[in-house]
Amino acid sequence: ELKVEQNPLFLSMQEGKNYTIYCNYSTTSDRLYWYRQDPGKSLESLFVLLSNGAVKQEGRLMASLDTKARLSTLHITAAVHDLSATYFCAVVPGGGSQGNLIFGKGTKLSVKP
Amino acid sequence: DVKVTQSSRYLVKRTGEKVFLECVQDMDHENMFWYRQDPGLGLRLIYFSYDVKMKEKGDIPEGYSVSREKKERFSLILESASTNQTSMYLCASSLSLAQYFGPGTRLTVL
Repeated sequence: ELKVEQNPLFLSMQEGKNYTIYCNYSTTSDRLYWYRQDPGKSLESLFVLLSNGAVKQEGRLMASLDTKARLSTLHITAAVHDLSATYFCAVVPGGGSQGNLIFGKGTKLSVKP
Repeated sequence: DVKVTQSSRYLVKRTGEKVFLECVQDMDHENMFWYRQDPGLGLRLIYFSYDVKMKEKGDIPEGYSVSREKKERFSLILESASTNQTSMYLCASSLSLAQYFGPGTRLTVL
């Protein structure tokens, strides 16, 4: 059974600082997703990572994937308050059907002035 | 711009009632999904569908059923609602890679 673990689950950081959220998964995966969720809102797709060594960046967020280590990271550079949200990673099991995403429990990020 | 809509944002039902949650997408996506989201548990897949009249169980299908009579519409049915089905329900659709999520329905079962 595929398990997806994120850490930390809660993260409080000051504006301007850097930090990394980790996403480990237990079996082979075809691809990995990162989503953002604001309180009371739905999920917004941030990144889709398809291959080993994939790196994608959008603004202050950068995601990478190491399929050999079964690890993805979401790096936050010079955090700002607008980045406060819950971030989820999700994977599709290798050989699984197209949509069967397995989600981590989410990392609740709070950026303080 | 992909749009996934859900019939209600908030819903309150009584134990034992039959509950229908509707989801509609406007992008001709083949795949549609129902998840529930609970604090500390993340999102868990209930059912998904990859074509009209086709469905597959996700991780937690017990107590739920689904219907997909038309490509754009995917319904989640709680045959006899129970208090442990109080949750946020999220619908999503996809064509290939990214899944697009609806705004969610917060269901409370009393």
